[in-house]
Amino acid sequence: KQEVTQIPAALSVPEGENLVLNCSFTDSAIYNLQWFRQDPGKGLTSLLLIQSSQREQTSGRLNASLDKSSGRSTLYIAASQPGDSATYLCAVYNQGGKLIFGQGTELSVKP
Amino acid sequence: ETGVTQSPTHLIKTRGQQVTLRCSSQSGHNTVSWYQQALGQGPQFIFQYYREEENGRGNFPPRFSGLQFPNYSSELNVNALELDDSALYLCASSPSAGSPYEQYFGPGTRLTVT
Repeated sequence: KQEVTQIPAALSVPEGENLVLNCSFTDSAIYNLQWFRQDPGKGLTSLLLIQSSQREQTSGRLNASLDKSSGRSTLYIAASQPGDSATYLCAVYNQGGKLIFGQGTELSVKP
Repeated sequence: ETGVTQSPTHLIKTRGQQVTLRCSSQSGHNTVSWYQQALGQGPQFIFQYYREEENGRGNFPPRFSGLQFPNYSSELNVNALELDDSALYLCASSPSAGSPYEQYFGPGTRLTVT
């Protein structure tokens, strides 16, 4: 049974810091992996999708990496801003198109 | 191109009642998946519909049921509501079933059961 874990559960950093969010999964037989952002009480905003054949994806200040063999993904946020404060969710696509989510990392960026 | 939409935005129901949530898929998408997100948790897969047929189900009781219509919009029905059903319900559409296809999420419906 696939399980997705995100560490840390919460993170508080001063503005301007670079930071890394971690995601691990127990079954390396995944297809895609996707990172989402969720603001309080809101739906999911897709940040980056990494296909199974890829090692990383970049969008602006965000970079996500995928290592299937070790069952890990990281989301790197450069030069963090208060507007980056949100919960970040990692999800893997298993066979059949079912998304398995982690519990999220709640990020707070202090001005 | 219209994205995934959900209605209603918020809903308050009493324990034991029944509720129907609606989802309109993105244009060109024939697959809809439903997820339940309890407070402080990651979303949990409920079920998926592909071309009007159920195509996979998570660990949810039979009182959670769904439909997909010929235009590929979908409904989630929950009977005999329980307090633990209070959650954000998310639907996602994709161009087809199967894992290579990215899922696009709607804004969600917040259900409160009192």
